[in-house]
Amino acid sequence: KNEVEQSPQNLTAQEGEFITINCSYSVGISALHWLQQHPGGGIVSLFMLSSGKKKHGRLIATINIQEKHSSLHITASHPRDSAVYICAVNSGYALNFGKGTSLLVTP
Amino acid sequence: EPEVTQTPSHQVTQMGQEVILRCVPISNHLYFYWYRQILGQKVEFLVSFYNNEISEKSEIFDDQFSVERPDGSNFTLKIRSTKLEDSAMYFCASSEAVSSYEQYFGPGTRLTVT
Repeated sequence: KNEVEQSPQNLTAQEGEFITINCSYSVGISALHWLQQHPGGGIVSLFMLSSGKKKHGRLIATINIQEKHSSLHITASHPRDSAVYICAVNSGYALNFGKGTSLLVTP
Repeated sequence: EPEVTQTPSHQVTQMGQEVILRCVPISNHLYFYWYRQILGQKVEFLVSFYNNEISEKSEIFDDQFSVERPDGSNFTLKIRSTKLEDSAMYFCASSEAVSSYEQYFGPGTRLTVT
């Protein structure tokens, strides 16, 4: 089974700060997903990566396949970015999830 | 924008009762999934479904669980005899194709078993 580890578990930042969340996994994958879960519980897909780097607005996701590691960066963080960010990997049909990083951005 | 919908948003049931959770995936998607998240824990895969059959299931998905696509739009998860430990948020997701494509999640159904 692919073990997915995220760090940090919890993160508090001030508005405007640059934020990095890390994800590592144990077995080779076909794709890695970054997801956002808000307090209401809904899950939104942010990125799906199989190599390199993707950018969407203030969010940037990178993946290093050789090192089995991915990072999610948030530039110019804002209180509305407060949520749980989840890394998930798939090597088949199933998604295997990390425990998530709880981010709080304060004004 | 197309979205995955789930009903009900919250279901309360007594232990031992059967429940059916319903999902309407995005219309041109071919792969369907159920996940669950026990309060305070990580999201866990239950089952994937393609071409009217289960393509993969986890250890959690035992004989108490079943899935069905009864018509061209709905995708259901049935729990035959609920247990207290089935209390969780259940998410349905769909994707155009397996693994290489993004999965789109529904808003979830919160199941409370009393």
